[in-house]
Amino acid sequence: GAVVSQHPSRVICKSGTSVKIECRSLDFQATTMFWYRQFPKQSLMLMATSNEGSKATYEQGVEKDKFLINHASLTLSTLTVTSAHPEDSSFYICSARREYEQFFGPGTRLTVL
Amino acid sequence: QQPVQSPQAVILREGEDAVINCSSSKALYSVHWYRQKHGEAPVFLMILLKGGEQKGHDKISASFNEKKQQSSLYLTASQLSYSGTYFCGTSSDGGATNKLIFGTGTLLAVQP
Repeated sequence: GAVVSQHPSRVICKSGTSVKIECRSLDFQATTMFWYRQFPKQSLMLMATSNEGSKATYEQGVEKDKFLINHASLTLSTLTVTSAHPEDSSFYICSARREYEQFFGPGTRLTVL
Repeated sequence: QQPVQSPQAVILREGEDAVINCSSSKALYSVHWYRQKHGEAPVFLMILLKGGEQKGHDKISASFNEKKQQSSLYLTASQLSYSGTYFCGTSSDGGATNKLIFGTGTLLAVQP
């Protein structure tokens, strides 16, 4: 199978701090990874496409300076939420592309106090 | 731009059938179906590529009507484990990045 991990699974932080979330493809290489955000009882909203070795492509309305994405290797992409505020509290999910399929990580629940 | 799913929610008894529809305003290259349980990540069910194909495994199948820009997911003889929220994810970029835009979701509850 194709396994994608995320770390941490849950994080609580104070307003104004930065939080880094890691997404790893464990048994395959992924040149493309995706970051989603999901609010309670809502659908997954694509935030950005993470490309290995190049800049991420952000969806309209997503602040690239607030949500920093780095895809440093074929198995790792990181999302950093900078100067987090309570409205950034959400479920963040990454996925890694293999051919036509996307495999999702288990998600990271971020709570900003 | 977000694909619209119908119905929004459905309650079934074990053994009953259900159909979930996904309709897009954009031309589609592929449709992916996922099931998500509360607090968990989506689990991949199946992918349909353009060509109007139909796929299925076990008691879950799906169709893809490229011309109508629609896909339907068929759940037959539902089981308790089928409960969750179903999302379609659509790709319109011809496989370039294969980024998915997820539909509005359909909450399915299967009762004993």
